[in-house]
Amino acid sequence: DVKVTQSSRYLVKRTGEKVFLECVQDMDHENMFWYRQDPGLGLRLIYFSYDVKMKEKGDIPEGYSVSREKKERFSLILESASTNQTSMYLCASSRRDRAPDLLFGPGTRLTVT
Amino acid sequence: KNEVEQSPQNLTAQEGEFITINCSYSVGISALHWLQQHPGGGIVSLFMLSSGKKKHGRLIATINIQEKHSSLHITASHPRDSAVYICAAWGGSNYKLTFGKGTLLTVNP
Repeated sequence: DVKVTQSSRYLVKRTGEKVFLECVQDMDHENMFWYRQDPGLGLRLIYFSYDVKMKEKGDIPEGYSVSREKKERFSLILESASTNQTSMYLCASSRRDRAPDLLFGPGTRLTVT
Repeated sequence: KNEVEQSPQNLTAQEGEFITINCSYSVGISALHWLQQHPGGGIVSLFMLSSGKKKHGRLIATINIQEKHSSLHITASHPRDSAVYICAAWGGSNYKLTFGKGTLLTVNP
């Protein structure tokens, strides 16, 4: 069964901590995405990667960075977590030739206190 | 920039009712995606369509490209259909999807 997995379903961190969210897909997809989802705002794109070591900023990249050293793994990094980064984080992947046909992971609910 | 509007924001129905959720977008698109998210759960793709109609079980999605409008219908609704339904528009030129804010559907037994 093909899937996208995320390292944690729930995470609680303190303000100022460095936070790593990991995402792994087993479908050999070229594209990988990180979104955050907030009530009333919907899904917003943080970063996108279309190949190993390649990345592009999405709509809200401030306060985040990403790493893609292997094709199957895409990491989201919060360099210094802040309370306004409390949110649901969703990873997704897709084939290069079917960019909008996303497969989502289960999500990580991050709380920064 | 494409704006995607969904209506209604919230919808409560009785089991067995016919449900319609609407999605309108402001700029021409190549495809529209309907997604489902159960409470506390991940997001699942229901349909991706660029014209006409698609059907899967009790779910039907239609799109009218000229009117920039899509609808998701659920026939004989069931409490397990309770979820947030999200539409997302794809312009065709890059990877970016523009998401609606979602419709929360609650189906009571």
